[in-house]
Amino acid sequence: AQSVTQLGSHVSVSEGALVLLRCNYSSSVPPYLFWYVQYPNQGLQLLLKYTSAATLVKGINGFEAEFKKSETSFHLTKPSAHMSDAAEYFCAVRVYSGSARQLTFGSGTQLTVLP
Amino acid sequence: NAGVTQTPKFQVLKTGQSMTLQCAQDMNHNSMYWYRQDPGMGLRLIYYSASEGTTDKGEVPNGYNVSRLNKREFSLRLESAAPSQTSVYFCASSEFGGQVVYGYTFGSGTRLTVV
Repeated sequence: AQSVTQLGSHVSVSEGALVLLRCNYSSSVPPYLFWYVQYPNQGLQLLLKYTSAATLVKGINGFEAEFKKSETSFHLTKPSAHMSDAAEYFCAVRVYSGSARQLTFGSGTQLTVLP
Repeated sequence: NAGVTQTPKFQVLKTGQSMTLQCAQDMNHNSMYWYRQDPGMGLRLIYYSASEGTTDKGEVPNGYNVSRLNKREFSLRLESAAPSQTSVYFCASSEFGGQVVYGYTFGSGTRLTVV
């Protein structure tokens, strides 16, 4: 079965510091991986996705993620945090089940940006 | 704006009452999904519809029913609401088919409280 695990339910960084949100996956087939962001009282927005092309994926708002097969990881990074980055972030893996392709989500990481 | 529209945004029910959550998308997507979001548990799939005319159970289907009314609309029904169904419900849609991988487009959610 395919799954993702997000390490750290809460992460705090200072404004201007590096953001690193961790995601490890488990999959017996080449995975398709996603990062989503959820701002308060809103739905989820796609940040970036890995679909077996380039291992370094660039997304919106300056975020990027690197697929590392040897470490089964897909960590999300941003060089310099902004106050507006405060949100909850979800890693997800696409699974094949029955008649549909579904997304299975991690439990989320709440990012706090300190002034 | 094009996207996924959910109604209502907020609802309070008494235990035992029934209600239907509505979802509509205007992106001509084939697949639609209902998730619930609970603190610390990420998003869990309730039901999905791979294409018009088909529906399947997800991870947590008990207490819910769904109807794929047409390609645009996918409703979620609670026949007899219970306090354990207090949650935020998200509808999502996606393309389906071929080797191209798409993410999901999410609605803004329905915050349901059962008292």
